[in-house]
Order: sequence, then C-alpha cells, then structure tokens
Amino acid sequence: GESVGLHLPTLSVQEGDNSIINCAYSNSASDYFIWYKQESGKGPQFIIDIRSNMDKRQGQRVTVLLNKTVKHLSLQIAATQPGDSAVYFCAEIFAGNNRKLIWGLGTSLAVNP
Amino acid sequence: DTEVTQTPKHLVMGMTNKKSLKCEQHMGHRAMYWYKQKAKKPPELMFVYSYEKLSINESVPSRFSPECPNSSLLNLHLHALQPEDSALYLCASSQDMEGSMRGYTFGSGTRLTVV
Repeated sequence: GESVGLHLPTLSVQEGDNSIINCAYSNSASDYFIWYKQESGKGPQFIIDIRSNMDKRQGQRVTVLLNKTVKHLSLQIAATQPGDSAVYFCAEIFAGNNRKLIWGLGTSLAVNP
Repeated sequence: DTEVTQTPKHLVMGMTNKKSLKCEQHMGHRAMYWYKQKAKKPPELMFVYSYEKLSINESVPSRFSPECPNSSLLNLHLHALQPEDSALYLCASSQDMEGSMRGYTFGSGTRLTVV
C-alpha cells in the first residue's frame, strides 16, 4: 500500500504487504531528515534518518528515500506487521532555523491482519 | 538509562488551578524541549533549554512557565489555562542543540485536560 498524494492522512495495508509513506518537505536548504513513529499514548520514536548528501538509507525492514529535486521523502516498510500501526511523521532540520525540527503532517498507518 | 520520564501521565485541571508537569532524563543531554501536541497533529515546539538556560520561547502565552532546575530536570508550570490548552505535552532531550538529530529522545507525554 502507498499513501498517494502528500496530504492523505490514513494508509491501510494488509499484514505482510509493503507500505510506502510519502512526505513533502519545505526547505531546499534542509540537510537532515528523520522519520518518527508515534504509537497511541506514546511520544514519537526515532525510526531512521538520512542526510541530504544521500538518496537512500536502509535499516531493519525500513528504507528511506530522498529526492531533493522535488523535495520528497518516503519511508518504505517491508512486510508490514500489526505492530507497525501508528502515526508516522517526517521531520527536517536546517542550520538556519536553530536546527529545530520542522514536522510534516503525519500519516496514520493501519495494518489489517 | 535511555529514557525521558514525564509525570504525571494524565492531568485534569480547572481553569483557576496551578499545576506543574515534570520531565527527567539521565542521559547527560544538555538540551531539553517542551512540545504541545493536539490530536492527529505534529508536535509544536514551545520551549528549548540549552545548558539550563532558556534558549527558545516560541511565543508561548505566559500562562505556561518553564523551569530548568538542573541539567536532568525540566518543569512546565501551568496557571490559568484555557480549555483549548488541553493537549498532549511532550518533553524531549538531545545531546545539545547542535547535536539535535538522531539524539532526540521523547517522553511519553502528559495528557492534559483543562475543564
């Protein structure tokens, strides 16, 4: 499953499928990007990060892709599991903003068993 | 210890009450943050403390008053809040403001309801 358009708040996938969560970022000067997972009743949890001099980074079951030409970031989750159900936020950082996190709108991922 | 601990987990307060939220970390982080998060929205930065000094105040109303008694503790004092202040209040810490990348660690938050 894939979140189409960059403002779709909910993505529903079947357990075992791959998920793709998309994010548009705002500043071409941003040099660092992070994906966070937030489960119900918890704070955001770091998933994976990528610097602007890279276009792909892989973690355990997750891959982040960065397309600087169109200022687009995506998070791919392989073999999605029920425990992946959460809200996913992208965030960007650039030096000219006191290195504060600039958050995306978030996508709610629901995994159906 | 790799956690940020927030207390209480839930708080209900009247508009005339005074209450405090507490945050604690023992990771040696020197930057600490308060965020406010409304349902289904990203967190909004309120305050940043760097080396126990207030570094950033994002134009937060004075009914919210932060305090950093030492490098491990961060408080948020609340007074005369409004119902629209009801939200999840998140504390976070990072090694320092320049290292605030992967090193951001968030607490689980305090769910505040103002009645």
